Amino acid sequence: QVQLQESGPGLVKPSGTLSLTCAVSGGSISGSNWWTWVRQSPGKGLEWIGEIFHSGSTNYNPSLKSRATISVDKSKNQFSLKLRSVTAADTAVYYCTRGLTGTTLSDVWWFDPWGQGTLVTVSS
Amino acid sequence: IVMTQSPLSLPVTPGEPASISCRTSQSLLQSNGNTYLDWYLQKPGQSPQLLIYLGSNRASGVADRFSGSGSGTDFTLKISRVEAEDVGVYYCMQALQIPYTFGQGTRLEIK
Repeated sequence: QVQLQESGPGLVKPSGTLSLTCAVSGGSISGSNWWTWVRQSPGKGLEWIGEIFHSGSTNYNPSLKSRATISVDKSKNQFSLKLRSVTAADTAVYYCTRGLTGTTLSDVWWFDPWGQGTLVTVSS
Repeated sequence: IVMTQSPLSLPVTPGEPASISCRTSQSLLQSNGNTYLDWYLQKPGQSPQLLIYLGSNRASGVADRFSGSGSGTDFTLKISRVEAEDVGVYYCMQALQIPYTFGQGTRLEIK
């Protein structure tokens, strides 16, 4: 079955760029799924960051004010997140997950599976 | 879309039922007839896992003591008989429109 694994630096300096990669195994990234990033700030709830289709189409959470960029590398079966101009408020556990589509390609029904998550701390 | 869960904390005796409410700021019913409300459980130290999708459909491998119901803006997750392994934080999530949003979470603990 499909498994996801996040990787990237655990510490980023304020005003820097957070960069994470999610490796997809057990299935192709070129399927009819939206590959998604979700984060969870310490002791808080879940926040949807954005998603990408294998074609390169993306959608983002407006709350991030255009700081996020999600890209896909089909040759490596992985997708990535870059978040620019980070502050302490971006400290969180970052999860990658798969959005399963239903009757149409824009029709996400649920998120499954999820990666184990990676903690990124923004600090000098 | 704003998601509001209640209660935020839920102590339950094993074997007893439990119920979590999720109210949304707008209807999650789409013109295709689907209702875009999912439930997830985040067990301690783990990633969220899918329990219920499209309001009332149990995900593969989920015990039948879990059930989802509701329509429009009012939804409920019920556990018929709570077991010790059910502890964790339960989240509802809407997949109707971007940005997808989650409830604040309901922490279920065993008495």
